[in-house]
Amino acid sequence: DIQMTQSPSTLSASVGDRVTITCRASQSFSSWLAWYQQKPGKAPKLLIYKASSLQSGVPSRFSGSGSGTEFTLTISSLQPDDFATYYCQQYNSYPYTFGQGTKLEIK
Amino acid sequence: VQLVESGGGLVQPGGSLRLSCAASGFTFSYYSMNWVRQAPGKGLEWVSYISGNSRTIYYADSVKGRFTVSRDNAKNSLYLQMNSLRDEDTAVYYCAREVGDDWGQGTLVTVSS
Repeated sequence: DIQMTQSPSTLSASVGDRVTITCRASQSFSSWLAWYQQKPGKAPKLLIYKASSLQSGVPSRFSGSGSGTEFTLTISSLQPDDFATYYCQQYNSYPYTFGQGTKLEIK
Repeated sequence: VQLVESGGGLVQPGGSLRLSCAASGFTFSYYSMNWVRQAPGKGLEWVSYISGNSRTIYYADSVKGRFTVSRDNAKNSLYLQMNSLRDEDTAVYYCAREVGDDWGQGTLVTVSS
């Protein structure tokens, strides 16, 4: 199984900051990685698929990059609506494993 | 696209429950579907996958042998039969289309005596 490790677990930032969340895989794979945003009591929302493709309707301040064992999600200028928990998920092979999540908090 | 889960509730350890996911707004048979769960206050855990024609099915090790995924393309519905339920199966269960481009609102399963 591919294990996904996200860092940091918690991130405190301010509106307007640029933030980066990292996801590291226990095995190398191509680009089959997704990023999700989840707010309390809500279902996850797909932000990025295939490591760097922006899902339709998602603001362009979100971007993804990486391949192999290291992937990143960057938010270029934090907005109030962005404070949430973020998860990466590999869909290269089953089981489709998630990272443990990164909670993005207001500083 | 709309996905609506149902069937959650309170069940005793060792009991069974069947979850349903009603799909609309897209050609259901064209898409693979997944079940993903989230224990209270915890992260996301992928549970099961079923291809559009039901020929390919996968399970997480944590549920293999106890859960069965199925679908009825004529009824635009996805199912998860859960048997021999354990305390650790307590979670919100989501159905998700493909890799997660659309999700339902989730249904809560509580396993407790």
